[in-house]
Amino acid sequence: DGGITQSPKYLFRKEGQNVTLSCEQNLNHDAMYWYRQDPGQGLRLIYYSQIVNDFQKGDIAEGYSVSREKKESFPLTVTSAQKNPTAFYLCASSMRVRGNQPQHFGDGTRLSIL
Amino acid sequence: DAKTTQPNSMESNEEEPVHLPCNHSTISGTDYIHWYRQLPSQGPEYVIHGLTSNVNNRMASLAIAEDRKSSTLILHRATLRDAAVYYCILRDVPNTDKLIFGTGTRLQVFP
Repeated sequence: DGGITQSPKYLFRKEGQNVTLSCEQNLNHDAMYWYRQDPGQGLRLIYYSQIVNDFQKGDIAEGYSVSREKKESFPLTVTSAQKNPTAFYLCASSMRVRGNQPQHFGDGTRLSIL
Repeated sequence: DAKTTQPNSMESNEEEPVHLPCNHSTISGTDYIHWYRQLPSQGPEYVIHGLTSNVNNRMASLAIAEDRKSSTLILHRATLRDAAVYYCILRDVPNTDKLIFGTGTRLQVFP
């Protein structure tokens, strides 16, 4: 079945460590997104990408980095510069960035600090 | 970005219709109204969207006020699987690159 796969489901980070969250889609979508969700809150956009080898910062990009070397993959690295990384991270994709196409979401990665 | 206002929570009994309201008094002419829902520990799921006319799909109906300052998501017969947080989002289609999520309405469904 087509969809978005995020891994791992749970991730623990030590102080000063970088960690990478995986996001893969087989929907042939051009656009991909990373969101962060804190308890009881809505989603906030971290980064998004319209095409391969191109990406833009969202509202809360500080302390995060991304790459888009392949259409189907959009990994997110949470760096040691992100001082409050504990959150639920969600990856999404859509046919295009602008337009009315709905965004399709993965089931998320929950990141905690050891 | 235009904002939406939703009640924090609502309750319903199974098999009954549910009307989830959303106020968006500052909506602009190019804003589409989108609804997503999120089940516990899952990513959001697209439900429906519209511009001016009422819309129906297999999941729900969207009723949009004539002045577009409010809208209502209608679940015709609530089931236990409809218990989720429902987000009403305005999307400026020609100009924006993102969805802006508020805190949504938590719907509880009782058997």
